[in-house]
Amino acid sequence: TQLLEQSPQFLSIQEGENLTVYCNSSSVFSSLQWYRQEPGEGPVLLVTVVTGGEVKKLKRLTFQFGDARKDSSLHITAAQPGDTGLYLCAGAKNAGGTSYGKLTFGQGTILTVHP
Amino acid sequence: SQTIHQWPATLVQPVGSPLSLECTVEGTSNPNLYWYRQAAGRGLQLLFYSVGIGQISSEVPQNLSASRPQDRQFILSSKKLLLSDSGFYLCAWTRLGAEAFFGQGTRLTVV
Repeated sequence: TQLLEQSPQFLSIQEGENLTVYCNSSSVFSSLQWYRQEPGEGPVLLVTVVTGGEVKKLKRLTFQFGDARKDSSLHITAAQPGDTGLYLCAGAKNAGGTSYGKLTFGQGTILTVHP
Repeated sequence: SQTIHQWPATLVQPVGSPLSLECTVEGTSNPNLYWYRQAAGRGLQLLFYSVGIGQISSEVPQNLSASRPQDRQFILSSKKLLLSDSGFYLCAWTRLGAEAFFGQGTRLTVV
């Protein structure tokens, strides 16, 4: 079973602080995705990282894929209340072939940013 | 552009009653389709996936079943609901890059 360990599970911070969420596995993934989900809605894709060592930036969010493609991190700079939500990492083993695009999800990080 | 529709948004059903949740995708053909269940505020568990009409793979043994009668239609069913079937159900589709696009979800409460 491929597992993605996501930490921390809960994060409560003040507006303006920085934070990092981690996603670790013993398995190699062909790609890793980060999603953000609000209560009562489906997850929304934030970014996909494919290449080992890749770094992608989305405004105040920075995503990194580990060199060995087993881990990833999400860093948020100067968090705002609008960043509040559930953040999920998900790994894909193989986009084609027999994996059929099945994703393995981490347990999620519930982020609360207080004004 | 592609869109995914899932309904109903909420559902309260008595134990032992049947279930039918429907999901349709627009704007793409031959998508891979998935049903996930999510515990409150946690990660997603894959229940079923389908790579084509009539092709269903089950990931976990359970009281639910899935069907794909048309290319862009995916249905989650049960003949008799259990209390443990309560949860948040999400339909999703993927394209080659395995990036998933989710429906709005169905909150199912079995009473």
